Amino acid sequence: AQKITQTQPGMFVQEKEAVTLDCTYDTSDQSYGLFWYKQPSSGEMIFLIYQGSYDEQNATEGRYSLNFQKARKSANLVISASQLGDSAMYFCAMRGVSGGYNKLIFGAGTRLAVHP
Amino acid sequence: DTAVSQTPKYLVTQMGNDKSIKCEQNLGHDTMYWYKQDSKKFLKIMFSYNNKELIINETVPNRFSPKSPDKAHLNLHINSLELGDSAVYFCASSQEGGPGELFFGEGSRLTVL
Repeated sequence: AQKITQTQPGMFVQEKEAVTLDCTYDTSDQSYGLFWYKQPSSGEMIFLIYQGSYDEQNATEGRYSLNFQKARKSANLVISASQLGDSAMYFCAMRGVSGGYNKLIFGAGTRLAVHP
Repeated sequence: DTAVSQTPKYLVTQMGNDKSIKCEQNLGHDTMYWYKQDSKKFLKIMFSYNNKELIINETVPNRFSPKSPDKAHLNLHINSLELGDSAVYFCASSQEGGPGELFFGEGSRLTVL
């Protein structure tokens, strides 16, 4: 069975500093995908970044990068130069397979607070 | 244009009532989902449809019945509402092939009194 673990219920960071949000996963699939989503207090789910299991380079999207360590089964999100608007819940997710069809399973989330 | 839209955004109702949430996507995606987010913010998949066919049905009480009249619409009907059904319900869609990221609606907050 696939599983996503986010061990940090809450994190805080000073504005303009970098922060790493941890995510570990468990799967027996050879091919899988890892995702990060942001959920601000307004409630919508915003897709941030994707890493495929066969991608050799770490994914980057603007200030977001994904530190993918396949052997350790970790997919940490790094946010550089934090901004006040980065305060939100962050969810790590993995594309698994159920009955031959893809589904995303989510971790419990990490609440990030950015302080001025 | 909203890519994935859900209505209503808020529902407040009494235990025992029946309610429906509608979802529409204009992205041309083949697959649509319902997720439930509980009070602790945990997101769990409930159902998935691919081209109007039910493909994923997690262990959800049979009081919950999804319906997909076409691949752009996925509705959720809930019978005999219980207190524990209070949650935010998210509709999402994705395209086969590629990363398969989910595009979410804004969520529908259901409160059962």
